[in-house]
Amino acid sequence: QQQVKQSPQSLIVQKGGISIINCAYENTAFDYFPWYQQFPGKGPALLIAIRPDVSEKKEGRFTISFNKSAKQFSLHIMDSQPGDSATYFCAASKPGGGNKLTFGTGTQLKVEL
Amino acid sequence: DTAVSQTPKYLVTQMGNDKSIKCEQNLGHDTMYWYKQDSKKFLKIMFSYNNKELIINETVPNRFSPKSPDKAHLNLHINSLELGDSAVYFCASSPGGHVGYTFGSGTRLTVV
Repeated sequence: QQQVKQSPQSLIVQKGGISIINCAYENTAFDYFPWYQQFPGKGPALLIAIRPDVSEKKEGRFTISFNKSAKQFSLHIMDSQPGDSATYFCAASKPGGGNKLTFGTGTQLKVEL
Repeated sequence: DTAVSQTPKYLVTQMGNDKSIKCEQNLGHDTMYWYKQDSKKFLKIMFSYNNKELIINETVPNRFSPKSPDKAHLNLHINSLELGDSAVYFCASSPGGHVGYTFGSGTRLTVV
């Protein structure tokens, strides 16, 4: 059972464009939703995270939009750059349970010149 | 000064062998994790320790045995390696609560 569904699997965006990655979750007990960025040969790195008490969080060019009623959240990368080319993972965790993160399946983003 | 360091980075071994992966964190975090990333890049938790105590043990074959000698170290020993064990294994740590993990750079295990 895939508790966090992520789409698209891959994405190609032109430099300067907006990259949008979507995730949906099933477990309403989830209350922490981070996004991770992974470059080839490296471990995932925390990019930005949101709690369900806010609908949007912005950090630089990265924005999370959160829709609690729809159980969906998305990552928007504004003014996408070639250096943003990486794999992006959404994740979710719930209270207790050792802060276990359940990851989405990942989106491979390529930003072309 | 690497925050979460794993050794070795690459590991190639034959089926049936036993191998270990070591992980150390210098962040002072209480909780450490092992995740497996398969060929499709899917990340799945295997184990978690909080201050040397096992708190998460997902459905993992008992050929996999984690050990945490202290809260800064979490090792993974794998017995009787199988082809399907080939993957990238990531160690991670967190201070607990809803704070993001810090991942190591991974150990790519190839079983031939």
